[in-house]
Amino acid sequence: AQKVTQAQTEISVVEKEDVTLDCVYETRDTTYYLFWYKQPPSGELVFLIRRNSFDEQNEISGRYSWNFQKSTSSFNFTITASQVVDSAVYFCALSEGGTYKYIFGTGTRLKVLA
Amino acid sequence: EAGVAQSPRYKIIEKRQSVAFWCNPISGHATLYWYQQILGQGPKLLIQFQNNGVVDDSQLPKDRFSAERLKGVDSTLKIQPAKLEDSAVYLCASSLPASGGDTQYFGPGTRLTVL
Repeated sequence: AQKVTQAQTEISVVEKEDVTLDCVYETRDTTYYLFWYKQPPSGELVFLIRRNSFDEQNEISGRYSWNFQKSTSSFNFTITASQVVDSAVYFCALSEGGTYKYIFGTGTRLKVLA
Repeated sequence: EAGVAQSPRYKIIEKRQSVAFWCNPISGHATLYWYQQILGQGPKLLIQFQNNGVVDDSQLPKDRFSAERLKGVDSTLKIQPAKLEDSAVYLCASSLPASGGDTQYFGPGTRLTVL
């Protein structure tokens, strides 16, 4: 069965600190996709990144970076030099190959304090 | 490019009343999803449409929830009668034809409060 675990319920950091959000997934498929979404207070889920199971390259986009490690079934998300605008709930999601279904984790609430 | 549109943004009703939510997906997106997000949890898929056909409604409480997507564009989700436990945010998402791993784009959601 597929499952996504985000063990960190809430994280608070001071502005300009780096922060890493953890995501651990379970799947029996060899082909799957992983996603990160940001949910600000407005409520809309904003797409951040999509990664397929055959691409273990880490990715960097501005202050955001993602570390995908199949050996530990993890897809962690790091924000460098955090800003107040990064305050939101962040969700990790898994979709198995050939299906459309997303399985979401329970989310991590990030609070960045000025 | 316009995103996924939803209305209303907020709705407060009494239990046993009925309510309907509307969603208009991104232009050209054949696949439409409705999710329920209870406070403190991740979104849970209720139903998926491919054009105007239902692909998966296995987690839709069919005794009280219904959804339709006439003409394969916009969609309506209805609850009748509502229960207290239906209080949640209802999110609509859309994607290009589902081939596995397609990115879903979400609307702003409708926050439902059942009193």
